[in-house]
Amino acid sequence: SAVISQKPSRDICQRGTSLTIQCQVDSQVTMMFWYRQQPGQSLTLIATANQGSEATYESGFVIDKFPISRPNLTFSTLTVSNMSPEDSSIYLCSVGQTNYGYTFGSGTRLTVV
Amino acid sequence: SQELEQSPQSLIVQEGKNLTINCTSSKTLYGLYWYKQKYGEGLIFLMMLQKGGEEKSHEKITAKLDEKKQQSSLHITASQPSHAGIYLCGADIVYGNKLVFGAGTILRVKS
Repeated sequence: SAVISQKPSRDICQRGTSLTIQCQVDSQVTMMFWYRQQPGQSLTLIATANQGSEATYESGFVIDKFPISRPNLTFSTLTVSNMSPEDSSIYLCSVGQTNYGYTFGSGTRLTVV
Repeated sequence: SQELEQSPQSLIVQEGKNLTINCTSSKTLYGLYWYKQKYGEGLIFLMMLQKGGEEKSHEKITAKLDEKKQQSSLHITASQPSHAGIYLCGADIVYGNKLVFGAGTILRVKS
């Protein structure tokens, strides 16, 4: 199965600033996803990152707040923009592969102060 | 309403005891995945079940998917402190689309 490198692993940011999270995969994958896990909660899908086109966002998530790039089949970024304390969460990238299911990165633990 | 119902919400067991976690959907699942998460960390893949009636085991953990592909259980035999963590079930509700997750089960194992 694919190996995912996600960074940063954690960060503490000032409100009003932006943070970009990177996800690098060791093989080409078609399906790539970004999830958010708020404190004490389960995972919620933010968007599907599409290579060469705009990401597909889930209800409640918008591109202006969570812009996503997917320049090729091995890399994606998620930006959390104009952060507030409510954005404090773990953000995870995931890839889907037909025979291996879904693999997750190690997560980015974001604290907004 | 939650598309995947996971129970129990939390569990405290004595070391050496067996336990079961359940995951139920009102829809047919195209794939059911079990993950373990340590606090504040990423997800560790445990099992993937795709066929009705399928059962898989790894070390002391067994996962089953029922014939209708709407319910799965995760069973841990002779629990150990290393089994402690958050267990999450995830499922393909729509084929090849995305994973939706249950609320998670927090497992604590008392020595």
